[in-house]
Amino acid sequence: AQRVTQPEKLLSVFKGAPVELKCNYSYSGSPELFWYVQYSRQRLQLLLRHISRESIKGFTADLNKGETSFHLKKPFAQEEDSAMYYCALVFNTGGFKTIFGAGTRLFVKA
Amino acid sequence: DTGVSQNPRHKITKRGQNVTFRCDPISEHNRLYWYRQTLGQGPEFLTYFQNEAQLEKSRLLSDRFSAERPKGSFSTLEIQRTEQGDSAMYLCASSLREPRTDTQYFGPGTRLTVL
Repeated sequence: AQRVTQPEKLLSVFKGAPVELKCNYSYSGSPELFWYVQYSRQRLQLLLRHISRESIKGFTADLNKGETSFHLKKPFAQEEDSAMYYCALVFNTGGFKTIFGAGTRLFVKA
Repeated sequence: DTGVSQNPRHKITKRGQNVTFRCDPISEHNRLYWYRQTLGQGPEFLTYFQNEAQLEKSRLLSDRFSAERPKGSFSTLEIQRTEQGDSAMYLCASSLREPRTDTQYFGPGTRLTVL
């Protein structure tokens, strides 16, 4: 069955420290993976998607099919990065279905 | 267009009552999704429309839940005979069909409380 696992519910780092939010997925086909972010009192929004191989707000994520992972990384965390982060898997079953992980709350301390 | 909108933002109802939520997607988006989110969890997929066709429905969705998207524009999600376990945030998202990806734009959600 398809599954997305984010093993850490809370991640706390100091400003300027590197941060890595883990995401592992279970899917036998070719995955489409996304990171969504929710800042305080804002709606859920796209951060980045694996297909674009882009860097957004200093964050990058590389799809590792061998390890079935899509970890989110940033070399130097900023206080404004504090938010809830969700990893999501989209797959085609005739329609499109999306599975989200449970989320990781990132807290960046001054 | 200011993005996906949802109404109402909050709904308090008594157990056994029916409720209906509305979602207005971004105007040119042909895909629309409904999710349910409870405390400490990520959004849980409920159903998906492409234009007016409901192409995917979660097995978790009981017969008390129904969704429509007449004319491929706004969508409604109805819950009949509400139960306390239905208390959650209900999220709507829309996207524009792209060849290789599906970026979803979320609404602010409707928070349902069943007493």
